[in-house]
Amino acid sequence: DSGVTQTPKHLITATGQRVTLRCSPRSGDLSVYWYQQSLDQGLQFLIQYYNGEERAKGNILERFSAQQFPDLHSELNLSSLELGDSALYFCASSPISRRDGAKTQYFGPGTRLLVL
Amino acid sequence: DAKTTQPPSMDCAEGRAANLPCNHSTISGNEYVYWYRQIHSQGPQYIIHGLKNNETNEMASLIITEDRKSSTLILPHATLRDTAVYYCIVRVAGGNQFYFGTGTSLTVIP
Repeated sequence: DSGVTQTPKHLITATGQRVTLRCSPRSGDLSVYWYQQSLDQGLQFLIQYYNGEERAKGNILERFSAQQFPDLHSELNLSSLELGDSALYFCASSPISRRDGAKTQYFGPGTRLLVL
Repeated sequence: DAKTTQPPSMDCAEGRAANLPCNHSTISGNEYVYWYRQIHSQGPQYIIHGLKNNETNEMASLIITEDRKSSTLILPHATLRDTAVYYCIVRVAGGNQFYFGTGTSLTVIP
């Protein structure tokens, strides 16, 4: 157990709909990352938040957005869903290691999204 | 971004050491090498990381060559539960995100 929680575990919805995925980072971790894993693309970085502010963007579609709240939990919003959005969505959090400055990421169990 | 090259698949006999290689010839001096694994469709699990020196923890050992252009993850006594996809990642300099490649699918054989 990494200490990162994600809800829901599974989500089935229809094309054109909007869904929200939730992530709670490990206690004390300020950074949250979102990744998408589909069968043909592998694990793709989407976006990172640090203490409520967007820090880095990856291959995130304009239909997708995220935010991090004052209690540090994060939500990933996916709108106008398409069949191709079906994937596993992972959240990760990281502390800053005082020992070596590394930013090890700890991943949650993921949300499996199926768009029909 | 620094890229990594790993063999697509490997087999290892149960109880033997599994040695997973990774090439990262374009790595920069301040970039860390990380290893993660993913069992089925579970969340990637952190294994180990290093910068220049060899590292060991309760899960594995990481051997980094002196020129830092390659590394090897060693699982000293592989078990069936070690069957997974193993990812070697180099953290992008100046950035925080990880770029996962295709990894090595390790199968531990009874």
